[in-house]
Amino acid sequence: DGGITQSPKYLFRKEGQNVTLSCEQNLNHDAMYWYRQDPGQGLRLIYYSQIVNDFQKGDIAEGYSVSREKKESFPLTVTSAQKNPTAFYLCASSPSPGQHNEKLFFGSGTQLSVL
Amino acid sequence: AQTVTQSQPEMSVQEAETVTLSCTYDTSESDYYLFWYKQPPSRQMILVIRQEAYKQQNATENRFSVNFQKAAKSFSLKISDSQLGDAAMYFCAYSIVQGAQKLVFGQGTRLTINP
Repeated sequence: DGGITQSPKYLFRKEGQNVTLSCEQNLNHDAMYWYRQDPGQGLRLIYYSQIVNDFQKGDIAEGYSVSREKKESFPLTVTSAQKNPTAFYLCASSPSPGQHNEKLFFGSGTQLSVL
Repeated sequence: AQTVTQSQPEMSVQEAETVTLSCTYDTSESDYYLFWYKQPPSRQMILVIRQEAYKQQNATENRFSVNFQKAAKSFSLKISDSQLGDAAMYFCAYSIVQGAQKLVFGQGTRLTINP
């Protein structure tokens, strides 16, 4: 079945450590997105990519980095510069960046916690 | 910057009754999209309904309908014949028409269904 796979489901980070969250899609979608959700709050955009080898900062990009070397993959690295990384992270994709009548597909998320 | 506000942190309704969730937004754009997403305890994001701002007719999807008041910048969700499976967090979201499908989310409304 086609969809978005996020791994791991739960991740723990030690102080000063970088961690990478995986997001893979087999939907042949051009655009991919990373959102952060804090308890009791809505989602906020971290980074997005409309095409391979290109990505843009969202509203809360500080302390995060991404890459888009392959169409199907959009990993998110939470760096040690992110002082409050504990949150639920959701990856999403859409067929074409400019086609807003296309549905946005979400993964099942990764819960990141600081030890 | 665009903002989305959901003024009801929690709502409850009796099973089979009707409930309305409120959402207001702020934008200077004349054309945009509005969405309602459902997030059950699994935390999967599920698109409930979508409204295109240039369409005057309110969107409907089975038991779900919206009341879109463009001049008032209001976008409420009505759930008819509430079912136990409707219990979830509901998020109102906005996106511009051009470019990437970057969503701006409200803070969410937790909906409880009483049997």
